[in-house]
Amino acid sequence: ETGVTQSPTHLIKTRGQQVTLRCSSQSGHNTVSWYQQALGQGPQFIFQYYREEENGRGNFPPRFSGLQFPNYSSELNVNALELDDSALYLCASSLVSPGENSYGYTFGSGTRLTVV
Amino acid sequence: KNEVEQSPQNLTAQEGEFITINCSYSVGISALHWLQQHPGGGIVSLFMLSSGKKKHGRLIATINIQEKHSSLHITASHPRDSAVYICARRALNSGGSNYKLTFGKGTLLTVNP
Repeated sequence: ETGVTQSPTHLIKTRGQQVTLRCSSQSGHNTVSWYQQALGQGPQFIFQYYREEENGRGNFPPRFSGLQFPNYSSELNVNALELDDSALYLCASSLVSPGENSYGYTFGSGTRLTVV
Repeated sequence: KNEVEQSPQNLTAQEGEFITINCSYSVGISALHWLQQHPGGGIVSLFMLSSGKKKHGRLIATINIQEKHSSLHITASHPRDSAVYICARRALNSGGSNYKLTFGKGTLLTVNP
């Protein structure tokens, strides 16, 4: 059973640039959630993808967007980067059954983004 | 006020001590998660519970739904238990497939030898 893999592990970008972060979900999982964790804080929900569609979004502006692919892997895109976007970005996958039961989460190790 | 409150924020213990970390939440839940985060960021899921008590090795998690309160206990603590422990609630299903977690700020545990 593979876990959740995120890439890259670390990234430095300049303010105004765009970034794409990637997440390979655990085998058998069909749902991916993305979280932003600022230093010293708990993770904050960005959005969730279920069967390739966004089905929940936190309080993040539209310049945060995402995709989920048929193999359930996912991308997080951030446009027009700001200094405050510097954070650890975490991806979590889970299995949601047709009855909408969820069986727990598997987290990746995160991508540490620094915007300068 | 954060929807999920943890206490204490920081905890230092001597090896062998019994540890308790508390979590309170303000709205109904479908499940509560306890997670462990080591320096460097990776998060490991410890427990998911919606009632009663769960045990895994030296870790025990309890939840009181009526009081909206959960505790994580570590028996015979060890320096390798040093990490940030985070509780997170999953809201009652609103009808959509929204399983977002709302996290507490975490408790930094340091266990000294």
